[in-house]
Amino acid sequence: DTEVTQTPKHLVMGMTNKKSLKCEQHMGHRAMYWYKQKAKKPPELMFVYSYEKLSINESVPSRFSPECPNSSLLNLHLHALQPEDSALYLCASSPRGLLGQGRDWTTNEKLFFGSGTQLSVL
Amino acid sequence: KNEVEQSPQNLTAQEGEFITINCSYSVGISALHWLQQHPGGGIVSLFMLSSGKKKHGRLIATINIQEKHSSLHITASHPRDSAVYICAVLPNYGGSQGNLIFGKGTKLSVKP
Repeated sequence: DTEVTQTPKHLVMGMTNKKSLKCEQHMGHRAMYWYKQKAKKPPELMFVYSYEKLSINESVPSRFSPECPNSSLLNLHLHALQPEDSALYLCASSPRGLLGQGRDWTTNEKLFFGSGTQLSVL
Repeated sequence: KNEVEQSPQNLTAQEGEFITINCSYSVGISALHWLQQHPGGGIVSLFMLSSGKKKHGRLIATINIQEKHSSLHITASHPRDSAVYICAVLPNYGGSQGNLIFGKGTKLSVKP
């Protein structure tokens, strides 16, 4: 299994709703990432978990809450979102923790991306 | 000035043409990624390189660390190559692990 699976593929929610995005990988990767991507823009890093610990939080508003229950699963809990939060949310993973970290890191390591969740906030 | 600049922003080619997309960056890096994003979202990592050249099928990526420049070449282009190609660098300064800096992407359209 060489896939990163994201569910749901599409989500429409109101500003008062609570929803969750799910990301799963069974490649044994030890780092998992959440990115936000607006149309025609590059991805923006939100959070990174490395070895199931939150390693990077790019000053994301608290209405986004990440969770890493185990090494294969990454969730993004959404609450009280704003219309400007509408975007494509991408999950990614990398094999040995954060890219560039640790003495075993090599330039053969890549990010593996899911196909994303297209979120619309009404 | 963006830390990662790509050119061109948009590129239209006829099927069979040789295509080059360029990426220049201004920071010291550990590695550089080339990514492909098709309409609908999913991103595929094409190459990760820190020196020299890598080839996979019709795709070739080169990097010149001294000049802080990389190129992605597509030989014998095909309509299925139509996508946005994104250059991203992993800086080598402390605290930057895991945090790629992305270019704005090059939108490629290959016409039959």
